[in-house]
Amino acid sequence: GQQLNQSPQSMFIQEGEDVSMNCTSSSIFNTWLWYKQEPGEGPVLLIALYKAGELTSNGRLTAQFGITRKDSFLNISASIPSDVGIYFCHGNQFYFGTGTSLTVIP
Amino acid sequence: TAGITQAPTSQILAAGRSMTLRCTQDMRHNAMYWYRQDLGLGLRLIHYSNTAGTTGKGEVPDGYSVSRANTDDFPLTLASAVPSQTSVYFCASSRTSGGTNTGELFFGEGSRLTVL
Repeated sequence: GQQLNQSPQSMFIQEGEDVSMNCTSSSIFNTWLWYKQEPGEGPVLLIALYKAGELTSNGRLTAQFGITRKDSFLNISASIPSDVGIYFCHGNQFYFGTGTSLTVIP
Repeated sequence: TAGITQAPTSQILAAGRSMTLRCTQDMRHNAMYWYRQDLGLGLRLIHYSNTAGTTGKGEVPDGYSVSRANTDDFPLTLASAVPSQTSVYFCASSRTSGGTNTGELFFGEGSRLTVL
């Protein structure tokens, strides 16, 4: 099946630092979505992107839909402890990235 | 606000036994999905349903069956459980906008299944 390559696999950062993660695919997608999952819960949608080149912000989060439609990135600025969780990219209903586990050290 | 409700939250099951994981949504979303989540493999789609009365196979459908008798309910059945089906199972739904599936998923809290 299709592969969504998400990197990095894990990140350990100091509170206040910026975070960047990305997803790439061998196939073209029409949507890119980013989710966050906290321990013991289901993923929650953070940002949805529907157009190539689109740059969208949600508070301290910024995500971009790559111009080739094969990639997307998510940035978190000025990280705080509650940003801890696993972040997933999602290309369409079938395929999720393998996740980026974020740990924020106070 | 309930959203997506899954039951049970956790279950231990003997290999060879059958099990149905229940999923109910109150958002009137047309599309519903079942994913399994395993460490290092992310979320993999098992089955989906674009609307009541229809179902489709996802990436890992073998050993699972689903039904969609109405809009709200989407149960997942394991007819004869095997240890490799030990996982956390998530049900999700997605809303449509202007008749188009947005792909924006709303998840339940998961059902943790252990098959011994």
